[in-house]
Amino acid sequence: ETGVTQTPRHLVMGMTNKKSLKCEQHLGHNAMYWYKQSAKKPLELMFVYNFKEQTENNSVPSRFSPECPNSSHLFLHLHTLQPEDSALYLCASSQERVAGDLHSTDTQYFGPGTRLTVL
Amino acid sequence: TQLLEQSPQFLSIQEGENLTVYCNSSSVFSSLQWYRQEPGEGPVLLVTVVTGGEVKKLKRLTFQFGDARKDSSLHITAAQPGDTGLYLCARGSQGNLIFGKGTKLSVKP
Repeated sequence: ETGVTQTPRHLVMGMTNKKSLKCEQHLGHNAMYWYKQSAKKPLELMFVYNFKEQTENNSVPSRFSPECPNSSHLFLHLHTLQPEDSALYLCASSQERVAGDLHSTDTQYFGPGTRLTVL
Repeated sequence: TQLLEQSPQFLSIQEGENLTVYCNSSSVFSSLQWYRQEPGEGPVLLVTVVTGGEVKKLKRLTFQFGDARKDSSLHITAAQPGDTGLYLCARGSQGNLIFGKGTKLSVKP
């Protein structure tokens, strides 16, 4: 248990559906992240929120829409997805956004992920 | 580029064997993290190495940061089935983490 929860754990949706992924952290952190993990590709950063403000959008298609209503919650709204969007979507949090070089105290805590299948 | 190359991609061994996995880059990085991701879970941080030549030990796991700070290795002694998982290295870059593709380790009883 890392202190970061994600729901649902599994999701199957059609290309015309609208769904949302939810992430909640109980660690008092100020930065939250969405990552995409596909087979045969490295973990890809999608979005970063620091103190509820979006600080990074890593050229993610507009069919993915993040929302961060407060420092503890992060959503990823999905609509008109494509089959190639099928992947494991991971949420993470850290005390603050890692700035520059890593230090021993810079730790991102990951949730268990949502396994998304787009039909 | 700032890509991290991890090798091998896959490793299947018997319980009790030793193994080493590698993380390499063509550019110097000032620090590096190693994560383990078990099936059905998110990655969990194992260690951060920040000094060239640094060696850190975590029970049966030994992490080394190359002197030139372009490579790192993870050595596991007497592997156990509980060590099974995806081992990822990551570096900081402009406020974000850049991950390698990982080494998928399977330890059979």
